[in-house]
Amino acid sequence: AQSVTQLDSHVSVSEGTPVLLRCNYSSSYSPSLFWYVQHPNKGLQLLLKYTSAATLVKGINGFEAEFKKSETSFHLTKPSAHMSDAAEYFCVVPLNQGGKLIFGQGTELSVKP
Amino acid sequence: NAGVMQNPRHLVRRRGQEARLRCSPMKGHSHVYWYRQLPEEGLKFMVYLQKENIIDESGMPKERFSAEFPKEGPSILRIQQVVRGDSAAYFCASSQGADALSYEQYFGPGTRLTVT
Repeated sequence: AQSVTQLDSHVSVSEGTPVLLRCNYSSSYSPSLFWYVQHPNKGLQLLLKYTSAATLVKGINGFEAEFKKSETSFHLTKPSAHMSDAAEYFCVVPLNQGGKLIFGQGTELSVKP
Repeated sequence: NAGVMQNPRHLVRRRGQEARLRCSPMKGHSHVYWYRQLPEEGLKFMVYLQKENIIDESGMPKERFSAEFPKEGPSILRIQQVVRGDSAAYFCASSQGADALSYEQYFGPGTRLTVT
């Protein structure tokens, strides 16, 4: 069965410093993987997706993620945090059929001034 | 083009009452998904519907929960005889197709159900 594990439930950074949100996946084959962001009281928005093309994926708002098969990881990074990045981030694996999405537990990102 | 609409945004029900949650997909989208987010947890898939058909309800509790997506009108998630454990945020997503790799799922703002 496919699953994702987000290693940190909460990450706090200072504005202007790098962001690292960690995600590990479990799958018998190389899966596709997504990152979604959820701002308070809003719906989820797709940040980026990996679909077995380039292993380094660039998303919106300066975020990127690298698929590392040897480490079964898909960590989300951003060089410099902005206050508006404060939100909940979900690592997601889509199942092959039917559009079902499997979500990680989520990581809440706080950004201090 | 308006996004996915959900109403109400907040719903309070007493134990034993019924809750009806509505979801209007984006224009042109005929695929609807419902997810539930319990406190401190990620979203969990509940049901996938296309117009007038339930395609996958493997995540739906066996009792008290039902969903529909009629030919006309919004998709409805119905919870009968609510209990405190039903308190959660319920999110609806819509897409143009069934393949999650090819068709992005767009999420609504959610309905936060509180059972007192």
